[in-house]
Amino acid sequence: DVKVTQSSRYLVKRTGEKVFLECVQDMDHENMFWYRQDPGLGLRLIYFSYDVKMKEKGDIPEGYSVSREKKERFSLILESASTNQTSMYLCASSWVRSGYEQYFGPGTRLTVT
Amino acid sequence: QQQVKQSPQSLIVQKGGISIINCAYENTAFDYFPWYQQFPGKGPALLIAIRPDVSEKKEGRFTISFNKSAKQFSLHIMDSQPGDSATYFCAATGSYKLIFGSGTRLLVRP
Repeated sequence: DVKVTQSSRYLVKRTGEKVFLECVQDMDHENMFWYRQDPGLGLRLIYFSYDVKMKEKGDIPEGYSVSREKKERFSLILESASTNQTSMYLCASSWVRSGYEQYFGPGTRLTVT
Repeated sequence: QQQVKQSPQSLIVQKGGISIINCAYENTAFDYFPWYQQFPGKGPALLIAIRPDVSEKKEGRFTISFNKSAKQFSLHIMDSQPGDSATYFCAATGSYKLIFGSGTRLLVRP
């Protein structure tokens, strides 16, 4: 079974703090993704990585950065957390050859106060 | 246009009934249309997917109907069960990137 794990299920941070969300996959997938999920908006892509140290901006990259130093690990960084970044964050991974089939982690519910 | 429009936002169906969720897209370059199912506290999981050269795909009680000329596709859940209660997302892709609809929260009453 493919497993995508995220470092925290729930996180509460203060405005201005630097926040790290980590994701690890165990299927040797080339692609990894970070999404945020908000009610009525579906899933929106923040960043995508197709290889180690390679990244591309998604639809809503402002206020976020990412790091992929190892193939299995993809980190999302909020440089200076703001209240409008309160959301559910989902990590996903996939093979290059079947990009439509993404495997998701359980999500991290981040609250910024 | 990159949007995928999904309706309804929420749906209540009696056990044994048919659940129908609709999606529409604009970009004719999309070449795969998956549906994802998400239970509370879990990440979405791929349920079923269809290519645009096929008009219908069935897997168990789940069927995707695809209308290429209208640029619409829909998910039908036959004999809906309480265990099907979840949020369903349609999506479309032409590359690595999935464009998701806004989601439909389905509740199947016993």
